[in-house]
Amino acid sequence: DSGVTQTPKHLITATGQRVTLRCSPRSGDLSVYWYQQSLDQGLQFLIQYYNGEERAKGNILERFSAQQFPDLHSELNLSSLELGDSALYFCASSVGGLAGEETQYFGPGTRLLVL
Amino acid sequence: GESVGLHLPTLSVQEGDNSIINCAYSNSASDYFIWYKQESGKGPQFIIDIRSNMDKRQGQRVTVLLNKTVKHLSLQIAATQPGDSAVYFCAENANTGNQFYFGTGTSLTVIP
Repeated sequence: DSGVTQTPKHLITATGQRVTLRCSPRSGDLSVYWYQQSLDQGLQFLIQYYNGEERAKGNILERFSAQQFPDLHSELNLSSLELGDSALYFCASSVGGLAGEETQYFGPGTRLLVL
Repeated sequence: GESVGLHLPTLSVQEGDNSIINCAYSNSASDYFIWYKQESGKGPQFIIDIRSNMDKRQGQRVTVLLNKTVKHLSLQIAATQPGDSAVYFCAENANTGNQFYFGTGTSLTVIP
C-alpha cells in the first residue's frame, strides 16, 4: 500500500458525459500527479499540482482539467467523454515539487470505461 | 476501429532463477531513474531508483545497473519468485519539463 488513495475504483459512463476522479496523496506529500494508462499508449503524464498550484503539464487534453485543494487532495475532471478516453487513470504523489528529483508513489487507479 | 494493444516484451523465468530486465532510455541528460513493478489491476509500485552519479544500486533481491555510455538500465531480480510476475517499467527524467517518461514495460512471468 503506497498511501495514495483514489476513488472510485471503477467508473462506467457514456460518451459526452463528465466525470470526476479523486485522489488523496500520501500524508506529507505536496505534489500530486495524474497519469493515463491505455492499452495503446502506455503510461502518459497528464498534469502535476504542487501545494495547490499547477506545476507541470503533459499530454492533457483541453477537455480534461484538474485542481488541488487546500487539504492537498486533487480531482481530475474529464468532460465530453469519448470512447478513446477509456483507460486507467493513476494519481501519484511526491514530497516536494521537483518531479525529476523525487520518487513518485502511485495510487491503485481508477478504471474508466466510456460506452 | 480495431484497438491494438501494446506489444510488451516478455520474459519467462523459472522460479528460483535470476531475472534481468532491460531498458534503453532516450535522453542523455536524464539523471534520475526509477524501476516500477505493476501487477495486474494495480498501480505501479516503486522498486528501486538510481541517480546518474552511480553505476549500481542494490536493494532487497534487486539490483539496478546504469550504463550511461549506451543509455541502458537493467533490473536484476535474484531468486525470482511467483510473486515477482508483473510488468516492470523504467522511468527517466531528463530534468527538463519536470516530468517522468515511462518505458512501455516488460512482462515478467515466473514459472513455478
